[in-house]
Amino acid sequence: GAVVSQHPSRVICKSGTSVKIECRSLDFQATTMFWYRQFPKKSLMLMATSNEGSKATYEQGVEKDKFLINHASLTLSTLTVTSAHPEDSSFYICSARLAGYNEQFFGPGTRLTVL
Amino acid sequence: AQTVTQSQPEMSVQEAETVTLSCTYDTSENNYYLFWYKQPPSRQMILVIRQEAYKQQNATENRFSVNFQKAAKSFSLKISDSQLGDTAMYFCAFMKPTGTASKLTFGTGTRLQVTL
Repeated sequence: GAVVSQHPSRVICKSGTSVKIECRSLDFQATTMFWYRQFPKKSLMLMATSNEGSKATYEQGVEKDKFLINHASLTLSTLTVTSAHPEDSSFYICSARLAGYNEQFFGPGTRLTVL
Repeated sequence: AQTVTQSQPEMSVQEAETVTLSCTYDTSENNYYLFWYKQPPSRQMILVIRQEAYKQQNATENRFSVNFQKAAKSFSLKISDSQLGDTAMYFCAFMKPTGTASKLTFGTGTRLQVTL
């Protein structure tokens, strides 16, 4: 149980285009989902906390208009990187928290490459 | 704000030996959770072990155990009988209890290499 999927696993796009990454909790309802960014050989950096039915809470220094987060249902959160540029290239990981549990379940990650 | 420090960027251990990864943290909270996550080359984050701060007993999961010293704010991970599959990045993480933001704060990680 407690499986989280991400789609796509890899994406390559041209500079200036927008890319949407989906995060799904497959066998549980997630009231809260989290989006992280990880640079090579570095730790996970929390970008935002996504709550179902409400606006996401962004961490300091993360551009809200650049990284659009939507959490429209209890099993799906999306991260859209708008007008992507090469510096947005990174590994993006989502996690989901089951209500009442003090644990996050992680997706397999999405590698974004912006040319 | 909480901080998590892992002072060992890289560690190496021979197969079947024991290795200890260190982690210290700083918080003013009294109730919290601590985790060790493993990230193998696939980059999938895998929970290794968790510890509730209100529990004095150290958590154990098969070959993995922790040494939790609350007063010293130390949370080390011991891996016994190391296996080649244990090769991975290991992250120590801190979480406030449910009801707040429940955000995870990660350390910088320790890259563990298990050798023959």
